[in-house]
Amino acid sequence: SQQGEEDPQALSIQEGENATMNCSYKTSINNLQWYRQNSGRGLVHLILIRSNEREKHSGRLRVTLDTSKKSSSLLITASRAADTASYFCATDANGQNFVFGPGTRLSVLP
Amino acid sequence: EAGVTQFPSHSVIEKGQTVTLRCDPISGHDNLYWYRRVMGKEIKFLLHFVKESKQDESGMPNNRFLAERTGGTYSTLKVQPAELEDSGVYFCASSQNWATGKLFFGSGTQLSVL
Repeated sequence: SQQGEEDPQALSIQEGENATMNCSYKTSINNLQWYRQNSGRGLVHLILIRSNEREKHSGRLRVTLDTSKKSSSLLITASRAADTASYFCATDANGQNFVFGPGTRLSVLP
Repeated sequence: EAGVTQFPSHSVIEKGQTVTLRCDPISGHDNLYWYRRVMGKEIKFLLHFVKESKQDESGMPNNRFLAERTGGTYSTLKVQPAELEDSGVYFCASSQNWATGKLFFGSGTQLSVL
């Protein structure tokens, strides 16, 4: 079974709108990360939030973490066409490696 | 600073053949990881090197897969013999240390087994 699972699987919005993606996981974690993957490229690290943190910001990105619900959300504000990509959450489920979910495909339409 | 590089970017082989994927991590990164993404599903962990040692190889699907990291620098992942279900994108990632948690990924190798 997957440790991390993003929701929704696909999201289509207009440029300028906000995009919210969610991630649920099953076991306790030390930290949770979000990555972005543009088509045909490698994953790029966006932000890391530790288990003792509840919210973190980086530019137009806002990440929340609710360890009681074992969930996280990634909010991208004022989206741009260049934000079109797949977004993955990753958790350090067993303290040795990172477990990724299937990702959310975000399409930002101009 | 050069990023993580993977070679080849694409490989098309027939079932039963052998393929070797290569990953050059960022210089100085002791941690090297192999991941695989099949058919748009989740990115699955294969194994983790710390320098030249296999720290965790619990994700390796079977003994047709062999990973090495001689000298603790670049790593190779050999699939022999390849099967149809091995098709997918193989990603390599490296990190300076486990505690920072930030992985740097290569662009991946798209493997197609026909």
